[in-house]
Amino acid sequence: KQEVTQIPAALSVPEGENLVLNCSFTDSAIYNLQWFRQDPGKGLTSLLLIQSSQREQTSGRLNASLDKSSGRSTLYIAASQPGDSATYLCAVEPQGGSEKLVFGKGTKLTVNP
Amino acid sequence: DTGVSQDPRHKITKRGQNVTFRCDPISEHNRLYWYRQTLGQGPEFLTYFQNEAQLEKSRLLSDRFSAERPKGSFSTLEIQRTEQGDSAMYLCASSFSTGARETQYFGPGTRLLVL
Repeated sequence: KQEVTQIPAALSVPEGENLVLNCSFTDSAIYNLQWFRQDPGKGLTSLLLIQSSQREQTSGRLNASLDKSSGRSTLYIAASQPGDSATYLCAVEPQGGSEKLVFGKGTKLTVNP
Repeated sequence: DTGVSQDPRHKITKRGQNVTFRCDPISEHNRLYWYRQTLGQGPEFLTYFQNEAQLEKSRLLSDRFSAERPKGSFSTLEIQRTEQGDSAMYLCASSFSTGARETQYFGPGTRLLVL
């Protein structure tokens, strides 16, 4: 059974700091890995999708890497801003016929002005 | 295109009542997913549709839960005889796929509180 773990559970940083969020998964047989952002009481916004054949994806100040063999991904946020405060969720789509995403519990990020 | 929409956004009900939620996916998206998210947890998969066919159901989807997508467009999720443990955010997502895995786009969710 695929399990996704995110560390740390919460992170508080001053504005302008670069930071890294970590995600690990137990089964390397995945199609892709996605990072989502969730604001309090809201739905999910997709940030980056990395296909299993890719090593990283970049969007603006965000960079996500994937090491499938070791079951790890990182989300790097450069020059953090208070508007980046949210919960960041990592999800994998396992191989094997199922279409579902398996999520971690998220990292709650607070960027202080 | 306004994205995935869900209705209602909030629902408060008494234990034992039935509730129904609606999801309207992004136009022409052939796949539609339901997830449930409890406080402090990540979303958990419930079920998904390819067009009007329900192709997978999680063990979380007890016999009190039923989902439909009658014309391959909008979907409904009904919970019968609600229990306090059903209190959660119910999220809908959609994607367009012809075989390759594509991004799932999520709606704002329906927050259910069972008293």
